[in-house]
Amino acid sequence: DAEITQSPRHKITETGRQVTLACHQTWNHNNMFWYRQDLGHGLRLIHYSYGVQDTNKGEVSDGYSVSRSNTEDLPLTLESAASSQTSVYFCASSRQGGGAEAFFGQGTRLTVV
Amino acid sequence: GENVEQHPSTLSVQEGDSAVIKCTYSDSASNYFPWYKQELGKRPQLIIDIRSNVGEKKDQRIAVTLNKTAKHFSLHITETQPEDSAVYFCAASYGNNRLAFGKGNQVVVIP
Repeated sequence: DAEITQSPRHKITETGRQVTLACHQTWNHNNMFWYRQDLGHGLRLIHYSYGVQDTNKGEVSDGYSVSRSNTEDLPLTLESAASSQTSVYFCASSRQGGGAEAFFGQGTRLTVV
Repeated sequence: GENVEQHPSTLSVQEGDSAVIKCTYSDSASNYFPWYKQELGKRPQLIIDIRSNVGEKKDQRIAVTLNKTAKHFSLHITETQPEDSAVYFCAASYGNNRLAFGKGNQVVVIP
């Protein structure tokens, strides 16, 4: 069965370190998204991609970057982790075309100390 | 961009009663409105969605209504059960397949 997986599921890192969260999907979806989830804020879009070599900034992109070298993967990098980036991160993917269901990964809980 | 507001933030209902969650959106070009359910510690999962050419859609105990003129849509859960306790997110499409989410609604079903 097709799926979308994130790794690691939990991570603790120190302020200032670079961290990369992995997202891998086997749906063959063109669209991939990274969200962060914080209490009282719902799901906020960090970065997104519509295909290989395409990346775009979302509403809360400062301090984050992504790259899309193939269809399956969209890793999220925190260049220099800050305590404000402690959050639960969700990756999602959807097919091209309007009104497409977004499938979410299991989430990564990141703590920056 | 799109702005989605969701009310109320918390809703407690007696088992067997109905629950209604309402959302408003700002972008009149939005044409896709999904609802996601998220159980504690789990990923959001789609439970129902509606497109702008439809006013109402039903799937067993859940239904969604859309009023494009007023830019609001609602989730209705009938005959609530303890397993309906979760956080529910509404969303609206904007741009090219992006989704703007509401802040979520905690539904508690009291046995």
